[in-house]
Amino acid sequence: ETGVTQTPRHLVMGMTNKKSLKCEQHLGHNAMYWYKQSAKKPLELMFVYSLEERVENNSVPSRFSPECPNSSHLFLHLHTLQPEDSALYLCASSQGGGDYNEQFFGPGTRLTVL
Amino acid sequence: GQNIDQPTEMTATEGAIVQINCTYQTSGFNGLFWYQQHAGEAPTFLSYNVLDGLEEKGRFSSFLSRSKGYSYLLLKELQMKDSASYLCAVMDSNYQLIWGAGTKLIIKP
Repeated sequence: ETGVTQTPRHLVMGMTNKKSLKCEQHLGHNAMYWYKQSAKKPLELMFVYSLEERVENNSVPSRFSPECPNSSHLFLHLHTLQPEDSALYLCASSQGGGDYNEQFFGPGTRLTVL
Repeated sequence: GQNIDQPTEMTATEGAIVQINCTYQTSGFNGLFWYQQHAGEAPTFLSYNVLDGLEEKGRFSSFLSRSKGYSYLLLKELQMKDSASYLCAVMDSNYQLIWGAGTKLIIKP
């Protein structure tokens, strides 16, 4: 495996379900990100982890809960979501620390909340 | 507030040249990125500008004017595979990326 991988690629869930999104990076990076991408809207940064510590939480509802057990893995735990949470969820990683912070993205999980 | 503006959609002809503009207002500036995103796929890095001027990379070039808060991405010799969304993003004073909504580029034969 190379780059950034995400599973599952597609997820349909009800509002009462609990599910998790998984991201893995094989680039030796030390920063990882969760983004939400809705149609015709800018990418919304949700969470940032640097060296496995959360450094950014952009006022994301508590029904989204991130977990970063090590520098290669990132999870997004979902519970009691709303239909407006349906979107593409992208994971990214970067070397972190200072400028020229090129981010490498995974293919995303297309989430539909019924 | 912080804001990135780019056109929602553009159409161009195969073999032609197209320029996609991006204007920004951010708290601080630590570089501007352009990414390409094909439908249903991950965004992929195209270019990075931190100093004023033109950066050329094959058929793609990116220009930056920090005093004007302006950048453009120039695509030459357009190919059908260039049909995609092009995302402009600025790194602010906190080294976080602020993203535009993207420009959907449609290439016609």
